[in-house]
Amino acid sequence: GQQVMQIPQYQHVQEGEDFTTYCNSSTTLSNIQWYKQRPGGHPVFLIQLVKSGEVKKQKRLTFQFGEAKKNSSLHITATQTTDVGTYFCAENYGGATNKLIFGTGTLLAVQP
Amino acid sequence: DGGITQSPKYLFRKEGQNVTLSCEQNLNHDAMYWYRQDPGQGLRLIYYSQIVNDFQKGDIAEGYSVSREKKESFPLTVTSAQKNPTAFYLCASSGGGLGNEQFFGPGTRLTVL
Repeated sequence: GQQVMQIPQYQHVQEGEDFTTYCNSSTTLSNIQWYKQRPGGHPVFLIQLVKSGEVKKQKRLTFQFGEAKKNSSLHITATQTTDVGTYFCAENYGGATNKLIFGTGTLLAVQP
Repeated sequence: DGGITQSPKYLFRKEGQNVTLSCEQNLNHDAMYWYRQDPGQGLRLIYYSQIVNDFQKGDIAEGYSVSREKKESFPLTVTSAQKNPTAFYLCASSGGGLGNEQFFGPGTRLTVL
């Protein structure tokens, strides 16, 4: 079945350092979404990527979709303590049903 | 959050009892979803519904049941047949169609003793 692999599982950085999480699929993705879940909270939608090679930015966050649409990445520049949480990628595999397969997530810890 | 409510936030039940988790949304969304999250893991789809009076099994539907009698409500019953029910349960909704974001409720943490 379809699988979405996400690495690393855990990353600990000093505040101000950069952070990147990677999402890889065994199949071509129609689109990919990214969510953030704060500790003890629920996932919150960040962004959706649809086009091959697409790059989108949200302040210090940069999202990329691979040229072959089989991988994606999220890069955070100069992390802050507010960036703490688990970042999930999610593949839309259900067409119009919008069913998502979530990656295992990357837990980001930021030391002040 | 986002117009989706789940109650209660924490729930304790004895083994062998059925328990129903509520999920209500006022976003006028057609599609609703139930996920299960275990510690340190991603979300796994239990059931989803695209329209009232219709729902489909997700990847881990065994031991669970749902109903969708109203657009706003999508309750999940965790039955005694679920072998390992202790988990964090998240409900979500979306406007439907390809690629629409999902809005999540605050979740219910179920502990079966």
